[in-house]
Amino acid sequence: SQTIHQWPATLVQPVGSPLSLECTVEGTSNPNLYWYRQAAGRGLQLLFYSVGIGQISSEVPQNLSASRPQDRQFILSSKKLLLSDSGFYLCAWSPGVAGRTQYFGPGTRLLVL
Amino acid sequence: AQTVTQSQPEMSVQEAETVTLSCTYDTSESDYYLFWYKQPPSRQMILVIRQEAYKQQNATENRFSVNFQKAAKSFSLKISDSQLGDAAMYFCAYNAGGTSYGKLTFGQGTILTVHP
Repeated sequence: SQTIHQWPATLVQPVGSPLSLECTVEGTSNPNLYWYRQAAGRGLQLLFYSVGIGQISSEVPQNLSASRPQDRQFILSSKKLLLSDSGFYLCAWSPGVAGRTQYFGPGTRLLVL
Repeated sequence: AQTVTQSQPEMSVQEAETVTLSCTYDTSESDYYLFWYKQPPSRQMILVIRQEAYKQQNATENRFSVNFQKAAKSFSLKISDSQLGDAAMYFCAYNAGGTSYGKLTFGQGTILTVHP
């Protein structure tokens, strides 16, 4: 069966510091991968998605970037965090090509002080 | 652009009773998919049920069922025999067919409280 992992689970970072959140998927190959942000416990905003290694699409301009160095690894990064980057970050995967259902990881709580 | 609207910020239900959560969406596509996700206090998103637009039959998963009205662009979730563990925030989500790469558009969510 497929499993999706995210770490760290919680992160407290000062403004201006760098960020790296990692997401990995097990038990499948060539998945579509997604990063979402959820602010204030309401609504999820799609940040990035990837359909293959090195292929990243950005949905909204922001202080963040994403990379996919391996088939089942998706990384969310920032060079300098802003207060507004605080939130709950969720990674998700769906089967490539014909898959539509997304399956979510446990999420990372990020607090920028 | 597609939009998803959940008009009920909060709902409550007595244990063992039935509750219906509303969702409407706006799209010009004919091929798409609709989902309900549950987010308990742990905040992990859990798939509850999925509906393909080309299917006329409403999806069911145990105590969870949907009322899919394609012409009205409505997709409500009915929870029967509510349990304390059903308490969570519920999100309706839309995914266009074709080459949308599975991108989901979410509603703003409905907080469901279950009273013992």
